[in-house]
Amino acid sequence: QQQVKQSPQSLIVQKGGISIINCAYENTAFDYFPWYQQFPGKGPALLIAIRPDVSEKKEGRFTISFNKSAKQFSLHIMDSQPGDSATYFCAASTISGTYKYIFGTGTRLKVLA
Amino acid sequence: NAGVTQTPKFQVLKTGQSMTLQCAQDMNHNSMYWYRQDPGMGLRLIYYSASEGTTDKGEVPNGYNVSRLNKREFSLRLESAAPSQTSVYFCASSEWFSSNQPQHFGDGTRLSIL
Repeated sequence: QQQVKQSPQSLIVQKGGISIINCAYENTAFDYFPWYQQFPGKGPALLIAIRPDVSEKKEGRFTISFNKSAKQFSLHIMDSQPGDSATYFCAASTISGTYKYIFGTGTRLKVLA
Repeated sequence: NAGVTQTPKFQVLKTGQSMTLQCAQDMNHNSMYWYRQDPGMGLRLIYYSASEGTTDKGEVPNGYNVSRLNKREFSLRLESAAPSQTSVYFCASSEWFSSNQPQHFGDGTRLSIL
């Protein structure tokens, strides 16, 4: 119930294409769903985040879609660029009861020039 | 503005040795966290400090201890290192302790236990 399941494990996209990464969760107490981007040798950095009271959030080329009833959320990267090549982690957190900040297992994205 | 600074960046230990990983943040954040990152397992929370003077266990606390030395510094100690503790360790901080606070990460300590 505390897992966040992320797919795919790896993704190859052509430059200009759309990258889509999916996550699913079980714990309905989660109330914050961030996405982090990590480059080799660096720590994760917050990319975009959403609360469950909205179904979509867009920041530049990055969009989160959130489906509360299905307990799923996804990251869409439009017009993918080689500089977007990194590992992406979804996460879910709650402070209700025991504090939890659970990360997905990561998706390694490679954008071909 | 350095953000979150972790030392050392790399370390090799022998089984049974002890080690303290250091973390400092200069953003005046109240909350700090320690994670470990293993291949195929994402990041897992070891311990966290919601505010200066408090610490609590996360998802995988066994074999570790922490100290919130002051508002800026949060250290992680391995008392008797085991090969299973080979990992990349990340420290993070957030302005407040809340589920919707973004966490700011350091660049990690790569630790190998032989």
